[in-house]
Amino acid sequence: AQSVTQLGSHVSVSEGALVLLRCNYSSSVPPYLFWYVQYPNQGLQLLLKYTTGATLVKGINGFEAEFKKSETSFHLTKPSAHMSDAAEYFCAVIPYSGAGSYQLTFGKGTKLSVIP
Amino acid sequence: DVKVTQSSRYLVKRTGEKVFLECVQDMDHENMFWYRQDPGLGLRLIYFSYDVKMKEKGDIPEGYSVSREKKERFSLILESASTNQTSMYLCASSKQGRNEKLFFGSGTQLSVL
Repeated sequence: AQSVTQLGSHVSVSEGALVLLRCNYSSSVPPYLFWYVQYPNQGLQLLLKYTTGATLVKGINGFEAEFKKSETSFHLTKPSAHMSDAAEYFCAVIPYSGAGSYQLTFGKGTKLSVIP
Repeated sequence: DVKVTQSSRYLVKRTGEKVFLECVQDMDHENMFWYRQDPGLGLRLIYFSYDVKMKEKGDIPEGYSVSREKKERFSLILESASTNQTSMYLCASSKQGRNEKLFFGSGTQLSVL
């Protein structure tokens, strides 16, 4: 069984400030990890994903995330927030092996507001 | 540009009606998914399909059924709509493989009155 916890349903940052969105997971086997973003009135799109290899993953729009196995975390960061980053962000996890389905488990989402 | 198209952006139905939500993808993907999205609850998987005529239940299949007669099309059916099925419905598709990214449609906001 797997679960995803996103700390903070709403996060506000000033334009130009660091963005940090937190994600912790629990999984019985090592997982693949994803961050998706949803802009207003749109579907979700992939920001970045961790599969294997380098634990620091770079994504689109200047975002990156680091997989920390010891902390079971996959926090999303961006050094300098832009107004266009205002959106809802979802962390998701799927086990990379084992019998069973392709069921991706999503967190409940974090809405990011960027203050001018 | 790759696309997942959902037939309606907004839909209003009456309690007890049979409702069809249609989703078409043009990427020749094997996997297709139906999620519902509710504020504060994130995305919850209703059903998914990994091949034509194949389906698996997700976390919340009760009150829903699905149909996949052709590879590109995945339909979600509400046999008898109820007010608690008022929600945003998102369709997605992906290639085979657990680490493949999902491509999402823009969603259908369904209101059941």
